[in-house]
Amino acid sequence: ETGVTQSPTHLIKTRGQQVTLRCSSQSGHNTVSWYQQALGQGPQFIFQYYREEENGRGNFPPRFSGLQFPNYSSELNVNALELDDSALYLCASTPGRDRVKTEAFFGQGTRLTVV
Amino acid sequence: KQEVTQIPAALSVPEGENLVLNCSFTDSAIYNLQWFRQDPGKGLTSLLLIQSSQREQTSGRLNASLDKSSGRSTLYIAASQPGDSATYLCAVIKAAGNKLTFGGGTRVLVKP
Repeated sequence: ETGVTQSPTHLIKTRGQQVTLRCSSQSGHNTVSWYQQALGQGPQFIFQYYREEENGRGNFPPRFSGLQFPNYSSELNVNALELDDSALYLCASTPGRDRVKTEAFFGQGTRLTVV
Repeated sequence: KQEVTQIPAALSVPEGENLVLNCSFTDSAIYNLQWFRQDPGKGLTSLLLIQSSQREQTSGRLNASLDKSSGRSTLYIAASQPGDSATYLCAVIKAAGNKLTFGGGTRVLVKP
């Protein structure tokens, strides 16, 4: 058990709708990263939050946005859902640049299906 | 741009055989490398973290080596068991606090 929890675990949405996914980070970690994993592929980096500020973004459109709260939990928001957004969304918690050992711990993921 | 490759994409072995999983990366300027296990439809479980100054890490039946200069890491799983069936992913990080760049994974099936 990593201490990183994501909610919900499964979600079905209709194309064009909006969705919010949530992640609570491991105790002592101030950095949360979000990844999208399509079936049969490795996770792709969406963005990262460090101390409530966006700290890097992958090749995803602006309709993917996020937040980090003072307790370091985080949200991923996706607007105008498309069929290709169907994937497993993973949240990773790390100590961030404050520590030498930056082992990442992942939540169980949210399976999003867009129909 | 860092690219991480895992070959083969899938592997099937009889129970008891040792597993050898390969990971290669194009940019040797990494901070650390991490191996993960993923069961179908689940999140990632961290197996081993190797910092760039280290050559290997061990945990139980698992041993991971790192050769930065050649851009390679190998995960060895001794005496495989059916419970080892899963997808194994490697990921590299360029600097502390940066993103992970993943390979596509190797799907392992251990047959009883």
